[in-house]
Amino acid sequence: GAGVSQSPSNKVTEKGKDVELRCDPISGHTALYWYRQSLGQGLEFLIYFQGNSAPDKSGLPSDRFSAERTGGSVSTLTIQRTQQEDSAVYLCASSPPGLAGVGELFFGEGSRLTVL
Amino acid sequence: TQLLEQSPQFLSIQEGENLTVYCNSSSVFSSLQWYRQEPGEGPVLLVTVVTGGEVKKLKRLTFQFGDARKDSSLHITAAQPGDTGLYLCAKASGSARQLTFGSGTQLTVLP
Repeated sequence: GAGVSQSPSNKVTEKGKDVELRCDPISGHTALYWYRQSLGQGLEFLIYFQGNSAPDKSGLPSDRFSAERTGGSVSTLTIQRTQQEDSAVYLCASSPPGLAGVGELFFGEGSRLTVL
Repeated sequence: TQLLEQSPQFLSIQEGENLTVYCNSSSVFSSLQWYRQEPGEGPVLLVTVVTGGEVKKLKRLTFQFGDARKDSSLHITAAQPGDTGLYLCAKASGSARQLTFGSGTQLTVLP
């Protein structure tokens, strides 16, 4: 497939458990973003990776959240000791290399996380 | 936090009607994008505007960027049920390559 792939598409977990969400960006895209979206709401920025540069983690809501991107491709978002307020759709997007400024973001279908 | 406000939050209209949704910022942005999101899908880019006063048309959709580059509007002519979705504006500021999204306008077009 040529699009951004995310897994799992749905995850139900119990409060206090750790979860890992995976994102496989479009091949050749150097930028990768994680956003969080509550039901019917806008997108909340979490973290941004660009090539080999240090990631922009300014949107991570707490130290329970972390993300890594291995080999400049696949990314994993980890939420430790999940809380009910972590329930949301987690969206990953990638963007091709380009000139200064923000290009088009290509989004995956998201991972819906429900914390019971 | 540089807020990006969208209005209205919800809009329900009949097929064939015209509508306008708005996106306003408390600060100047270097570029602004409009996305549409359908249920169970990720947002899809509709347009990018970068120049103050710029107007772009995409079939029945007309996008306008305010002269002061702090606001934008999306006008849909003769809306169709296929236009139903969550319309999101997103801004980039300065040299940052992250986008800040608004809270969205949920549009429902009834047949």
